[in-house]
Amino acid sequence: DVKVTQSSRYLVKRTGEKVFLECVQDMDHENMFWYRQDPGLGLRLIYFSYDVKMKEKGDIPEGYSVSREKKERFSLILESASTNQTSMYLCASRRLRANTEAFFGQGTRLTVV
Amino acid sequence: AQSVTQLDSQVPVFEEAPVELRCNYSSSVSVYLFWYVQYPNQGLQLLLKYLSGSTLVKGINGFEAEFNKSQTSFHLRKPSVHISDTAEYFCAVRSNNNDMRFGAGTRLTVKP
Repeated sequence: DVKVTQSSRYLVKRTGEKVFLECVQDMDHENMFWYRQDPGLGLRLIYFSYDVKMKEKGDIPEGYSVSREKKERFSLILESASTNQTSMYLCASRRLRANTEAFFGQGTRLTVV
Repeated sequence: AQSVTQLDSQVPVFEEAPVELRCNYSSSVSVYLFWYVQYPNQGLQLLLKYLSGSTLVKGINGFEAEFNKSQTSFHLRKPSVHISDTAEYFCAVRSNNNDMRFGAGTRLTVKP
């Protein structure tokens, strides 16, 4: 089975802190994604990566950056956390081919106080 | 770019009743369509997908969906729901680029 693992289920951080959310997949998938999930808004794409060191902005990249130094790991970085970044963050991975589904991690619920 | 609209934010239904969760998409190119389910405090799990071929797609847990190209819809159905189907359901669309777009979700609540 494909496994996508997010390093933390729950995080509480202070405003202004630099926050790292880590995601690791074990199926050699080319594509990896970071979404945030908010009530009534569904999943919104923050960034995605289709290869090592490659990244593309999604719909809401402001306030976030990403890093993909190795194929299996995709990190989301909040350079200076703010309260409006309190949310559920979901990582996903997928094979490059368009007709394949994405596999999701369990999510990280981040609270910024 | 493609987009997805889930027409109902909440759907309450009694146990053993049929249910339909509606999804419409917009895209100028051929698409692949997916339905995911999210149980409380969990990640998303694939229910079913439409890639090509037959427009009626069967998934896990007795769910099915029908792709209608002329109406750009991909509605999810189940003839008889169970309490355990209570969850949030997301429709998603992907074209030949690398991203995938999700709808806002439909919260299905099955009442005894």
